Amino acid sequence: ETGVTQTPRHLVMGMTNKKSLKCEQHLGHNAMYWYKQSAKKPLELMFVYSLEERVENNSVPSRFSPECPNSSHLFLHLHTLQPEDSALYLCASSQDRGGSGKDTQYFGPGTRLTVL
Amino acid sequence: GQNIDQPTEMTATEGAIVQINCTYQTSGFNGLFWYQQHAGEAPTFLSYNVLDGLEEKGRFSSFLSRSKGYSYLLLKELQMKDSASYLCAVLDSNYQLIWGAGTKLIIKP
Repeated sequence: ETGVTQTPRHLVMGMTNKKSLKCEQHLGHNAMYWYKQSAKKPLELMFVYSLEERVENNSVPSRFSPECPNSSHLFLHLHTLQPEDSALYLCASSQDRGGSGKDTQYFGPGTRLTVL
Repeated sequence: GQNIDQPTEMTATEGAIVQINCTYQTSGFNGLFWYQQHAGEAPTFLSYNVLDGLEEKGRFSSFLSRSKGYSYLLLKELQMKDSASYLCAVLDSNYQLIWGAGTKLIIKP
């Protein structure tokens, strides 16, 4: 039991669809992250929220839109995606940001996204 | 630029020992992490090193040399369930994790 849940686990969508990915952490953490994982590539950090404020936005296309309504929930809203956006989308949380081991990230199981 | 290098794939025998190396060049250093990721699953935390030396945790140990920009993960008494990808990541000066592409470890009977 990782303490971080994600839904849905699998998603197939067309390029004109709008969908949302949901992440929930039950660890009492203050920071949450969205990553994209493509085959044989390093994890790509997309967004970071700390205490519900977005602190990182690594040049992600605007067709990806994050939302963090509270410290336990994180959403990734998707619209007009491209086939190259097909990947595993991982959510993670950490106690805090700022060193001393509090940055240890705990991951959810991921959403396998396929864009047709 | 920031860079994490680790071998793409390694093969080892059940019961043996394997060492997975990681070298890094990053803007600042606030710690190095190792994660294990089984196919189709989430990465799970294995170890965190911020000071030089060896940290032992059961069958797994992790070593860090900050002056050399080098770490390794040592797995002893290999079991079939250790077949997975092992990810090295460095926390940079902005407290952002920089990830390697992972090492796929194949265990043979």
